[in-house]
Amino acid sequence: AQSVTQLGSHVSVSEGALVLLRCNYSSSVPPYLFWYVQYPNQGLQLLLKYTSAATLVKGINGFEAEFKKSETSFHLTKPSAHMSDAAEYFCAVSSEIQGAQKLVFGQGTRLTINP
Amino acid sequence: EAQVTQNPRYLITVTGKKLTVTCSQNMNHEYMSWYRQDPGLGLRQIYYSMNVEVTDKGDVPEGYKVSRKEKRNFPLILESPSPNQTSLYFCASSFSVATNEKLFFGSGTQLSVL
Repeated sequence: AQSVTQLGSHVSVSEGALVLLRCNYSSSVPPYLFWYVQYPNQGLQLLLKYTSAATLVKGINGFEAEFKKSETSFHLTKPSAHMSDAAEYFCAVSSEIQGAQKLVFGQGTRLTINP
Repeated sequence: EAQVTQNPRYLITVTGKKLTVTCSQNMNHEYMSWYRQDPGLGLRQIYYSMNVEVTDKGDVPEGYKVSRKEKRNFPLILESPSPNQTSLYFCASSFSVATNEKLFFGSGTQLSVL
Protein backbone atom coordinates (compact mmCIF):
# COMPACT_ATOMS: atom_id res chain seq x y z
CA ALA A 1 0.00 0.00 0.00
CA GLN A 2 1.07 3.52 -0.72
CA SER A 3 2.17 5.77 2.15
CA VAL A 4 3.83 9.13 2.68
CA THR A 5 5.91 10.40 5.58
CA GLN A 6 6.66 14.06 6.04
CA LEU A 7 9.56 14.66 8.39
CA GLY A 8 8.80 17.54 10.73
CA SER A 9 5.31 18.76 11.50
CA HIS A 10 6.65 22.31 11.93
CA VAL A 11 9.48 24.04 10.10
CA SER A 12 10.57 27.58 10.82
CA VAL A 13 12.96 29.58 8.62
CA SER A 14 14.00 33.20 8.32
CA GLU A 15 12.86 35.33 5.42
CA GLY A 16 15.37 34.90 2.59
CA ALA A 17 16.63 31.55 3.86
CA LEU A 18 16.40 28.20 2.10
CA VAL A 19 13.18 26.26 2.55
CA LEU A 20 13.47 22.45 2.70
CA LEU A 21 10.40 20.31 3.43
CA ARG A 22 11.02 16.60 3.50
CA CYS A 23 8.83 13.86 2.06
CA ASN A 24 9.49 10.14 1.78
CA TYR A 25 7.10 7.77 0.09
CA SER A 26 6.42 4.09 -0.08
CA SER A 27 5.06 2.65 -3.30
CA SER A 28 5.12 -0.73 -4.97
CA VAL A 29 4.86 0.81 -8.44
CA PRO A 30 6.36 3.92 -10.04
CA PRO A 31 4.51 6.67 -8.22
CA TYR A 32 2.87 9.92 -9.13
CA LEU A 33 3.82 12.43 -6.43
CA PHE A 34 2.33 15.78 -5.55
CA TRP A 35 2.91 18.73 -3.28
CA TYR A 36 -0.13 20.73 -2.24
CA VAL A 37 -0.17 23.96 -0.22
CA GLN A 38 -2.88 25.15 2.14
CA TYR A 39 -2.93 28.84 3.01
CA PRO A 40 -4.83 29.87 6.15
CA ASN A 41 -8.59 29.37 5.86
CA GLN A 42 -8.35 28.05 2.32
CA GLY A 43 -8.53 24.74 0.53
CA LEU A 44 -5.49 22.96 -0.84
CA GLN A 45 -3.98 23.97 -4.15
CA LEU A 46 -1.43 22.17 -6.28
CA LEU A 47 2.18 23.37 -6.05
CA LEU A 48 3.73 20.79 -8.35
CA LYS A 49 3.54 17.17 -9.43
CA TYR A 50 5.92 14.46 -10.56
CA THR A 51 4.72 12.20 -13.35
CA SER A 52 8.02 10.62 -14.48
CA ALA A 53 8.79 13.12 -17.26
CA ALA A 54 11.68 14.74 -15.33
CA THR A 55 13.13 14.14 -11.88
CA LEU A 56 13.40 17.86 -11.07
CA VAL A 57 9.98 19.41 -11.06
CA LYS A 58 9.34 23.13 -10.95
CA GLY A 59 6.15 24.47 -9.46
CA ILE A 60 4.48 27.74 -8.70
CA ASN A 61 5.88 30.51 -6.49
CA GLY A 62 9.51 29.43 -6.98
CA PHE A 63 9.16 25.99 -5.42
CA GLU A 64 10.70 22.87 -6.86
CA ALA A 65 11.04 19.24 -5.87
CA GLU A 66 13.41 16.47 -6.87
CA PHE A 67 12.34 12.86 -7.26
CA LYS A 68 15.02 10.48 -5.98
CA LYS A 69 14.04 6.89 -6.53
CA SER A 70 17.02 5.45 -4.65
CA GLU A 71 16.06 7.44 -1.55
CA THR A 72 12.28 7.18 -2.12
CA SER A 73 12.16 10.90 -1.52
CA PHE A 74 10.45 13.93 -3.04
CA HIS A 75 11.67 16.88 -0.97
CA LEU A 76 10.33 20.37 -1.62
CA THR A 77 12.72 23.32 -1.77
CA LYS A 78 12.74 27.05 -2.37
CA PRO A 79 16.00 29.01 -2.43
CA SER A 80 14.71 32.10 -0.66
CA ALA A 81 11.70 32.13 1.66
CA HIS A 82 9.14 34.90 1.50
CA MET A 83 6.65 35.86 4.18
CA SER A 84 3.82 34.83 1.87
CA ASP A 85 5.12 31.22 1.89
CA ALA A 86 3.78 30.70 5.42
CA ALA A 87 1.28 27.86 5.03
CA GLU A 88 0.80 24.15 5.54
CA TYR A 89 2.33 21.86 2.94
CA PHE A 90 1.18 18.37 2.09
CA CYS A 91 3.03 15.70 0.15
CA ALA A 92 0.85 13.07 -1.52
CA VAL A 93 1.29 9.88 -3.53
CA SER A 94 -1.22 8.70 -6.10
CA SER A 95 -2.11 5.23 -7.25
CA GLU A 96 -4.99 3.49 -8.97
CA ILE A 97 -7.47 1.63 -6.83
CA GLN A 98 -10.41 -0.07 -8.57
CA GLY A 99 -10.09 2.15 -11.62
CA ALA A 100 -9.91 5.46 -9.79
CA GLN A 101 -7.22 7.76 -8.50
CA LYS A 102 -6.33 7.14 -4.85
CA LEU A 103 -4.42 10.00 -3.27
CA VAL A 104 -2.70 9.35 0.05
CA PHE A 105 -1.54 12.44 1.94
CA GLY A 106 1.24 12.92 4.42
CA GLN A 107 0.60 14.46 7.82
CA GLY A 108 1.48 17.94 6.66
CA THR A 109 4.27 20.38 7.54
CA ARG A 110 3.47 23.84 8.81
CA LEU A 111 5.98 26.38 7.51
CA THR A 112 6.58 29.54 9.53
CA ILE A 113 8.64 32.42 8.13
CA ASN A 114 10.43 34.68 10.60
CA PRO A 115 11.03 38.31 9.61
CA GLU B 1 -14.60 31.19 -12.46
CA ALA B 2 -13.72 27.49 -12.15
CA GLN B 3 -14.30 26.42 -8.60
CA VAL B 4 -15.46 23.88 -6.06
CA THR B 5 -18.05 25.37 -3.72
CA GLN B 6 -18.79 23.95 -0.30
CA ASN B 7 -21.49 25.05 2.10
CA PRO B 8 -21.65 25.87 4.91
CA ARG B 9 -18.21 27.20 5.80
CA TYR B 10 -18.78 26.64 9.52
CA LEU B 11 -21.30 24.38 11.23
CA ILE B 12 -21.98 23.67 14.89
CA THR B 13 -24.46 20.93 15.67
CA VAL B 14 -25.43 18.48 18.37
CA THR B 15 -24.99 14.73 18.54
CA GLY B 16 -27.56 12.85 16.48
CA LYS B 17 -28.94 15.74 14.43
CA LYS B 18 -28.73 14.86 10.74
CA LEU B 19 -26.82 17.28 8.55
CA THR B 20 -25.71 17.68 4.96
CA VAL B 21 -22.66 19.48 3.64
CA THR B 22 -23.08 20.46 0.02
CA CYS B 23 -20.41 20.41 -2.65
CA SER B 24 -20.73 21.65 -6.20
CA GLN B 25 -18.20 22.04 -9.03
CA ASN B 26 -18.65 23.99 -12.26
CA MET B 27 -15.86 22.34 -14.28
CA ASN B 28 -17.74 19.28 -15.56
CA HIS B 29 -15.36 17.05 -13.61
CA GLU B 30 -15.93 13.31 -13.53
CA TYR B 31 -14.20 12.57 -10.24
CA MET B 32 -15.24 13.97 -6.86
CA SER B 33 -14.10 13.11 -3.38
CA TRP B 34 -14.55 14.02 0.28
CA TYR B 35 -11.71 14.29 2.78
CA ARG B 36 -11.48 15.08 6.44
CA GLN B 37 -8.47 16.87 7.88
CA ASP B 38 -7.40 16.28 11.47
CA PRO B 39 -4.25 17.62 13.18
CA GLY B 40 -1.31 15.28 12.78
CA LEU B 41 -3.22 12.97 10.44
CA GLY B 42 -3.22 14.94 7.20
CA LEU B 43 -6.19 14.40 4.90
CA ARG B 44 -8.04 11.12 4.85
CA GLN B 45 -10.49 10.12 2.16
CA ILE B 46 -14.08 9.49 3.21
CA TYR B 47 -15.87 8.67 -0.07
CA TYR B 48 -15.25 9.22 -3.73
CA SER B 49 -17.24 9.14 -6.95
CA MET B 50 -15.97 8.29 -10.43
CA ASN B 51 -19.10 9.51 -12.16
CA VAL B 52 -22.83 9.98 -11.78
CA GLU B 53 -24.40 7.21 -9.68
CA VAL B 54 -20.95 5.67 -9.02
CA THR B 55 -19.66 6.08 -5.47
CA ASP B 56 -17.28 4.10 -3.29
CA LYS B 57 -15.79 4.10 0.17
CA GLY B 58 -12.49 5.70 1.00
CA ASP B 59 -10.40 5.06 4.08
CA VAL B 60 -12.75 6.41 6.75
CA PRO B 61 -16.37 6.00 5.51
CA GLU B 62 -18.03 5.01 8.80
CA GLY B 63 -20.80 7.40 9.82
CA TYR B 64 -21.02 9.12 6.41
CA LYS B 65 -23.13 8.80 3.29
CA VAL B 66 -22.82 10.41 -0.12
CA SER B 67 -24.81 10.57 -3.34
CA ARG B 68 -24.00 11.60 -6.92
CA LYS B 69 -27.29 12.16 -8.72
CA GLU B 70 -25.87 14.92 -10.90
CA LYS B 71 -22.36 15.36 -12.20
CA ARG B 72 -21.80 18.72 -10.51
CA ASN B 73 -23.05 17.88 -6.98
CA PHE B 74 -21.64 15.53 -4.37
CA PRO B 75 -23.23 16.12 -0.94
CA LEU B 76 -21.85 14.60 2.26
CA ILE B 77 -24.49 13.37 4.69
CA LEU B 78 -24.04 12.66 8.38
CA GLU B 79 -27.15 10.77 9.46
CA SER B 80 -26.34 10.81 13.18
CA PRO B 81 -23.27 12.95 13.87
CA SER B 82 -21.04 12.15 16.81
CA PRO B 83 -18.30 14.22 18.49
CA ASN B 84 -15.54 12.18 16.79
CA GLN B 85 -16.77 13.59 13.48
CA THR B 86 -15.70 17.07 14.57
CA SER B 87 -13.23 17.93 11.84
CA LEU B 88 -12.39 20.09 8.84
CA TYR B 89 -13.96 18.68 5.70
CA PHE B 90 -12.87 19.24 2.10
CA CYS B 91 -14.56 18.39 -1.13
CA ALA B 92 -12.34 17.96 -4.17
CA SER B 93 -12.78 17.22 -7.86
CA SER B 94 -10.68 16.39 -10.89
CA PHE B 95 -11.26 16.17 -14.62
CA SER B 96 -10.81 12.42 -14.75
CA VAL B 97 -10.02 9.44 -12.57
CA ALA B 98 -6.46 9.21 -13.92
CA THR B 99 -3.81 8.95 -11.25
CA ASN B 100 -1.84 11.99 -12.44
CA GLU B 101 -4.74 14.42 -12.40
CA LYS B 102 -4.60 17.37 -10.05
CA LEU B 103 -7.39 17.87 -7.56
CA PHE B 104 -9.31 21.11 -7.13
CA PHE B 105 -10.37 21.70 -3.54
CA GLY B 106 -13.20 23.62 -1.95
CA SER B 107 -12.51 26.07 0.87
CA GLY B 108 -13.52 23.62 3.56
CA THR B 109 -16.27 23.14 6.13
CA GLN B 110 -15.34 23.30 9.80
CA LEU B 111 -17.78 21.02 11.63
CA SER B 112 -18.17 20.88 15.40
CA VAL B 113 -20.40 18.21 16.93
CA LEU B 114 -21.28 18.85 20.56
